[in-house]
Amino acid sequence: DVKVTQSSRYLVKRTGEKVFLECVQDMDHENMFWYRQDPGLGLRLIYFSYDVKMKEKGDIPEGYSVSREKKERFSLILESASTNQTSMYLCASSRSDRGNSPLHFGNGTRLTVT
Amino acid sequence: GENVEQHPSTLSVQEGDSAVIKCTYSDSASNYFPWYKQELGKGPQLIIDIRSNVGEKKDQRIAVTLNKTAKHFSLHITETQPEDSAVYFCAASPLYKFYFGSGTKLNVKP
Repeated sequence: DVKVTQSSRYLVKRTGEKVFLECVQDMDHENMFWYRQDPGLGLRLIYFSYDVKMKEKGDIPEGYSVSREKKERFSLILESASTNQTSMYLCASSRSDRGNSPLHFGNGTRLTVT
Repeated sequence: GENVEQHPSTLSVQEGDSAVIKCTYSDSASNYFPWYKQELGKGPQLIIDIRSNVGEKKDQRIAVTLNKTAKHFSLHITETQPEDSAVYFCAASPLYKFYFGSGTKLNVKP
């Protein structure tokens, strides 16, 4: 079974802090994604990566950056956390199969910015 | 880009009844349509998927139908059980990006 592990289940940070969310997958997947989940809005794509050191902006990249130095690890960085970034963050991975391979999700990190 | 709409936002059924959740998409390039179930405190889990060259797929009590012409697809759960209670998301994928509906909270009453 694919396992996607997010390092923290809950995080509480202060406004202006730099925040790192870490994600590791164990199935040698090429693609990795960061989504944000808010009630009534579904899952919105922040960034994704289709290879090591490669990244592409999703639909809501403002205020975020990412890092993928190794194939199994994809980090989401909030450069200066703000209260409107309080949310559930979901990491996912998939095989590179021209979009016909499902996403496998971690259990999420609930971030609160005060 | 792709826009996925999902209805209803909440659905309450009696145990043993059927549940239907509907989604529409806008991008004709979308060719892969997974459905996810999210239980409290967990990430979404894939329950069934369908590709654009198939009109219907069934897996035990769960089925999905796809109408490419009308750009809509539906999830059907028969003989619902209390453990089916969760939030369900549809998604559409053109190539390797996924676009999600806003979710349906299904409540199965015993």
